[in-house]
Amino acid sequence: SQQGEEDPQALSIQEGENATMNCSYKTSINNLQWYRQNSGRGLVHLILIRSNEREKHSGRLRVTLDTSKKSSSLLITASRAADTASYFCATRDSNYQLIWGAGTKLIIKP
Amino acid sequence: GAGVSQSPRYKVAKRGQDVALRCDPISGHVSLFWYQQALGQGPEFLTYFQNEAQLDKSGLPSDRFFAERPEGSVSTLKIQRTQQEDSAVYLCASSLGDRASYNEQFFGPGTRLTVL
Repeated sequence: SQQGEEDPQALSIQEGENATMNCSYKTSINNLQWYRQNSGRGLVHLILIRSNEREKHSGRLRVTLDTSKKSSSLLITASRAADTASYFCATRDSNYQLIWGAGTKLIIKP
Repeated sequence: GAGVSQSPRYKVAKRGQDVALRCDPISGHVSLFWYQQALGQGPEFLTYFQNEAQLDKSGLPSDRFFAERPEGSVSTLKIQRTQQEDSAVYLCASSLGDRASYNEQFFGPGTRLTVL
């Protein structure tokens, strides 16, 4: 079963623009993680935000978490062609398993 | 250093055939996870090892699926009598601490299994 749902399912933007992806989840969490997957590098961990954090930054990435709405967003600023990938959010359940959404497919047009 | 490696990268099997998928985790990593990823979906948990102990196999879809990590390093996922619905990418991940630790999981490139 999948806990998270990413929105939108697909997003196509021009290089240099910002990209925002959203994730909703169902149960209470300890942390939420964002991963990127492309054919070149496989699945790579991007950033983890804990349940007591509201916002976190890493380079061009900004993640927010709203536990009252059970949602998170990932913002990629100044997008580059190399950002073309699928992006997944993942949360831990009570058995420490990572539960994944279906992902957002991001295409950066040159 | 070397990351997680998996072999083979691609496997085509005839329905009913047995397959074995190998995962070499990062050296010294305690935790090893197997996931199944269908096309256009996120990974789904299959099983978890802490060193050589298989502590969670709740995600294995049937008794045709079997995993082992006998010496706490390399792991093998075996699928017996493969069916078409087994076609997917099988991902292996390892992490430094046990699963209760908030450690990043490092993923291998996956094995794409196609069952004809």
